[in-house]
Amino acid sequence: DVVMTQSPLSLPVTLGQPASISCRSSQSLVHSDGNTYLSWFQQRPGQSPRRLIYKVSNRDSGVPDRFSGSGSGTDFTLKITRVEAEDVGIYYCMQGTHWPYTFGQGTKLEIK
Amino acid sequence: EVQLVESGGGLVQPGGSLRISCAVSGLTFGSSWMSWVRQAPEKGLEWVANMNQDGSTLAYVDSVKGRFTISRDNAKNSLYLQMNNLRAEDTAVYYCARDAGWGAIDYWGQGTLVTVSS
Repeated sequence: DVVMTQSPLSLPVTLGQPASISCRSSQSLVHSDGNTYLSWFQQRPGQSPRRLIYKVSNRDSGVPDRFSGSGSGTDFTLKITRVEAEDVGIYYCMQGTHWPYTFGQGTKLEIK
Repeated sequence: EVQLVESGGGLVQPGGSLRISCAVSGLTFGSSWMSWVRQAPEKGLEWVANMNQDGSTLAYVDSVKGRFTISRDNAKNSLYLQMNNLRAEDTAVYYCARDAGWGAIDYWGQGTLVTVSS
C-alpha cells in the first residue's frame, strides 16, 4: 500500500500568519492517465471531513483562496497564507492513484 | 442540497454482525462511485471500501476483506455496508462518501458510530 507521510503532525500558528503542511508518498502518485490524484481534507472539531483541494492544486468551490495546494510526484504541500480562527482542525492528504486509497496521519492545526 | 445520512450503527459483540446504511439525496446517486471511510476514536481516516455505479467494481482495504460487503440499491439511492465477524479494531465512526473519481471524495455524511465490545 502507498504510505502517506505528513509533517508536521502538530502545527501551532499565530492568527494571520502562514502555515504549510507537507505530504509525501512512498510511490509516485502520477496515474497512467497522466493525472495526479492527491486531495486535501479539513476536519474541524466534531465535524465530518471536508474536501479543500483535489488533483493536487484544484480548490473546491467555497474554499477560501488563502488555501492552496502544490507539488508533484511524491511531494505535496498545502499552504494557508493567513491562518484564521476557523482553520483550526486536522488536515489530511489522501491519494487515489493506487488501490487502496490511503490517507496521511493528519496534521493538527491550532492557534498559538 | 446534497445529503448523505448514515444509520444503523450501534454496539455489537466481537464476532457479531451489523449492517449500516446511507441514504443519499441531492446528487445523481446512480452515476456516482460511493465509498465507506472510517475513523477510529481519536484516530485518523481510513478508507474501507468503494463501489462503482452499477456495483460491478468493488474494492476493499485488506483488513476487512472477506468480512465486509459493500452494496447499493440505485432505486432507493442507498449504500450499504454489511459487516460480519466484527473485531474490537473495527470500532469507529463510519462515513458514507461520494467518490467523484480516484479518491476525490467530495461529499461526506455525518457518520454512524459502530462499537465492537463485549
